[in-house]
Amino acid sequence: DTEVTQTPKHLVMGMTNKKSLKCEQHMGHRAMYWYKQKAKKPPELMFVYSYEKLSINESVPSRFSPECPNSSLLNLHLHALQPEDSALYLCASSQLVSGAPGELFFGEGSRLTVL
Amino acid sequence: SQELEQSPQSLIVQEGKNLTINCTSSKTLYGLYWYKQKYGEGLIFLMMLQKGGEEKSHEKITAKLDEKKQQSSLHITASQPSHAGIYLCGADILGNAGKSTFGDGTTLTVKP
Repeated sequence: DTEVTQTPKHLVMGMTNKKSLKCEQHMGHRAMYWYKQKAKKPPELMFVYSYEKLSINESVPSRFSPECPNSSLLNLHLHALQPEDSALYLCASSQLVSGAPGELFFGEGSRLTVL
Repeated sequence: SQELEQSPQSLIVQEGKNLTINCTSSKTLYGLYWYKQKYGEGLIFLMMLQKGGEEKSHEKITAKLDEKKQQSSLHITASQPSHAGIYLCGADILGNAGKSTFGDGTTLTVKP
């Protein structure tokens, strides 16, 4: 069983909808991540939160808006998405080791389809 | 060029056979991680290697880190259908502060 929980598992939305992906971890990890993964590709980093502060934004379009309400929760707010944004969205957490991510613990992902 | 090169891209083996997957970094590694992913699911952490010459095993999977070559290998002994999936190497690389870098993955099929 994964200790990083993501909801929903599947999401279908239109291009004008507003939705959110949620992620929760109770391992006391200080860093949380959002990744986007397309079929047959490795995960691509989108955002990193370290100690509840946004530390990395990989030039992600503003239609994706991350939020870290506390050290256990991470949200990804979605608005006016495009069909090419359809992908598996993965949340991960890690302890941070001397500023480096260390081993990542992933959730099972949210499969997003944009119509 | 890619910072983490993984090979082979895909592998089909008969059940019971041994296999090896390689991961080579073009830059200095601080840590090397192996993950397994089933299609459409999250990545599962397998093993972490940090020191040159380090070797770790879990059940029938062994991973080694050759620090001089900036290379790691993942070896599966007596493969089983349960080993099938996508294996990805990930790394903390000098100059990529705060980010993990991933190889492209190796898709393993084990034929019964």
